[in-house]
Amino acid sequence: QKEVEQDPGPLSVPEGAIVSLNCTYSNSAFQYFMWYRQYSRKGPELLMYTYSSGNKEDGRFTAQVDKSSKYISLFIRDSQPSDSATYLCAMSVSGGYNKLIFGAGTRLAVHP
Amino acid sequence: GAVVSQHPSWVICKSGTSVKIECRSLDFQATTMFWYRQFPKQSLMLMATSNEGSKATYEQGVEKDKFLINHASLTLSTLTVTSAHPEDSSFYICSAAPGDRGDYGYTFGSGTRLTVV
Repeated sequence: QKEVEQDPGPLSVPEGAIVSLNCTYSNSAFQYFMWYRQYSRKGPELLMYTYSSGNKEDGRFTAQVDKSSKYISLFIRDSQPSDSATYLCAMSVSGGYNKLIFGAGTRLAVHP
Repeated sequence: GAVVSQHPSWVICKSGTSVKIECRSLDFQATTMFWYRQFPKQSLMLMATSNEGSKATYEQGVEKDKFLINHASLTLSTLTVTSAHPEDSSFYICSAAPGDRGDYGYTFGSGTRLTVV
């Protein structure tokens, strides 16, 4: 069993839709949770990070962490064609320069 | 914001030759940098953690003699793929974070696509 599970998709939605992306994990020691966006042939770009459980909102993006269920989510409101990319969840056990464990990434396509 | 520059963005080399990839932190100092490898439609796999002034820490299964990492300064880490073979063809990405950041928002380089023919 992988430490971090993420449905690779692809996920196709119409412009303006609310997108829900999810990851589950098995290691209860994870405390730091991140979402990255990666366009084709580019490096990942940090979108959101959260520590422990709770919600965090930034513009059209909302990240949720439920440590009791070992489940994290990223919601994208009013999705745009420019949101079409691969979204990767990542997590780490402790702070500092601790290595990140990535999910497989979910490919999202937002069509006009 | 923190910027990480990676060079070259793509490279084609002949089998048996060596290739060097550079990762630079442009506006901050990075005592630690990370090197990842990504196969098509797959996630990032951590290869090694590069520490300024000391030996890199390699992940299990990564050949340290094949993937040489040098972190000679606080702004530069290099990955050299030695005696490259077609199976080394992949997308290599580095990441780093400023030493004074309280969060874990590692910045990634734009990646290097290596093709070995």
